[in-house]
Amino acid sequence: SYVLTQPPSVSVAPGQTARITCGGNNIGSKSVHWYQQKPGQAPVLVVYDDSDRPSGIPERFSGSNSGNTATLTISRVEAGDEADYYCQVWDSSSDPSYVFGTGTKVTVL
Amino acid sequence: QVQLQESGPGLVKPSETLSLTCAVSGYSISSGYYWGWIRQPPGKGLEWIGSIYHSGSTYYNPSLKSRVTISVDTSKNQFSLKLSSVTAADTAVYYCARHLGPGEAFDIWGQGTMVTVSS
Repeated sequence: SYVLTQPPSVSVAPGQTARITCGGNNIGSKSVHWYQQKPGQAPVLVVYDDSDRPSGIPERFSGSNSGNTATLTISRVEAGDEADYYCQVWDSSSDPSYVFGTGTKVTVL
Repeated sequence: QVQLQESGPGLVKPSETLSLTCAVSGYSISSGYYWGWIRQPPGKGLEWIGSIYHSGSTYYNPSLKSRVTISVDTSKNQFSLKLSSVTAADTAVYYCARHLGPGEAFDIWGQGTMVTVSS
């Protein structure tokens, strides 16, 4: 089955840039979606199809995807960005399935 | 606006069947979209369980396929999850969510409901 690997944690100072990676075999050939999850809350979609933002998501959130790594970038990080972030892809193999990444805890220092 | 609300027992005994329902408001299930279930064990990551289209077409996580049934009731504008032969490993927050199609992102989520498997 397809595996997505994320760093367990990323720490960033307010105003700086956080980059969260999502590694997978030839992930660049897939569409990657990113979710933000704050404690006790349901996940919220922040980036879809590699780099598109849903309505209401700040431009500070951006995404890219190439080769074996997809990246979610949060610019000008704010305290409210502290959360867990998950990447997701659709593995269209013989038995198609959604796969989520292992998740990354973003801590704002 | 579109809202999803999960409901069902918060406690299920081992070996029994977990049953949850997701009520959809603000949108008719018959109009389109896929409707899915995702779960999250305490302190762990997200796991997709499966999804259904209003026509009844389903996709299931291969690792859970033998125990999962997802159905839709368009007359009640809701869809349901049944997970059989549960164990403590099935203890999790269960979310329902909407997506445009296979491979598309989950754009709207329910608040989630905690289900504990214990005797």
